[in-house]
Amino acid sequence: GDSVTQMEGPVTLSEEAFLTINCTYTATGYPSLFWYVQYPGEGLQLLLKATKADDKGSNKGFEATYRKETTSFHLEKGSVQVSDSAVYFCALSKNYGGATNKLIFGTGTLLAVQP
Amino acid sequence: DGGITQSPKYLFRKEGQNVTLSCEQNLNHDAMYWYRQDPGQGLRLIYYSQIVNDFQKGDIAEGYSVSREKKESFPLTVTSAQKNPTAFYLCASSMPNFYGYTFGSGTRLTVV
Repeated sequence: GDSVTQMEGPVTLSEEAFLTINCTYTATGYPSLFWYVQYPGEGLQLLLKATKADDKGSNKGFEATYRKETTSFHLEKGSVQVSDSAVYFCALSKNYGGATNKLIFGTGTLLAVQP
Repeated sequence: DGGITQSPKYLFRKEGQNVTLSCEQNLNHDAMYWYRQDPGQGLRLIYYSQIVNDFQKGDIAEGYSVSREKKESFPLTVTSAQKNPTAFYLCASSMPNFYGYTFGSGTRLTVV
């Protein structure tokens, strides 16, 4: 079945370091891809998305490019801040029948940024 | 502001009891979802509903029940048949053209 694989955490970085969180997917057809962020004790917030191959999603300094040839959607940020500390989830969306899509999530990657 | 409200934020249940988690949205979204989150396991889909009076089982529906009598509301009941109910429960909603889910802030259920 369809699935999403993320690098295991925690990822610990110093402030202003470069961030990469790897995400690969397995899916038939043409899924949309998403990154969500979860701050402690809260729900998930949509960070960015890409709906077709070679699309780049970006938001708040984070970027991810939909690479169909490598089935990847790696999250990057050039300079992390302490406030970026959170759990990051990669997800894919497809229609499995019916009017709406379903999201399939990776296991999440904890990012801890130290001052 | 539009959004999803989950209540309560924290819930304690004795073994053998049923409990109901509330989820209300004012986004006019058609579809609603319930996920369970456990440490190291990501999010797993419990139930989802695409329209009023209709819902489907997700990947881990055993021990749970839902109803969808109104578009705005999608309550989840954790029954005594759920063997390991302690978890963080997240409700979400979306529209058919689907630009991502909107999530509530979650309910943390603990069995005592």
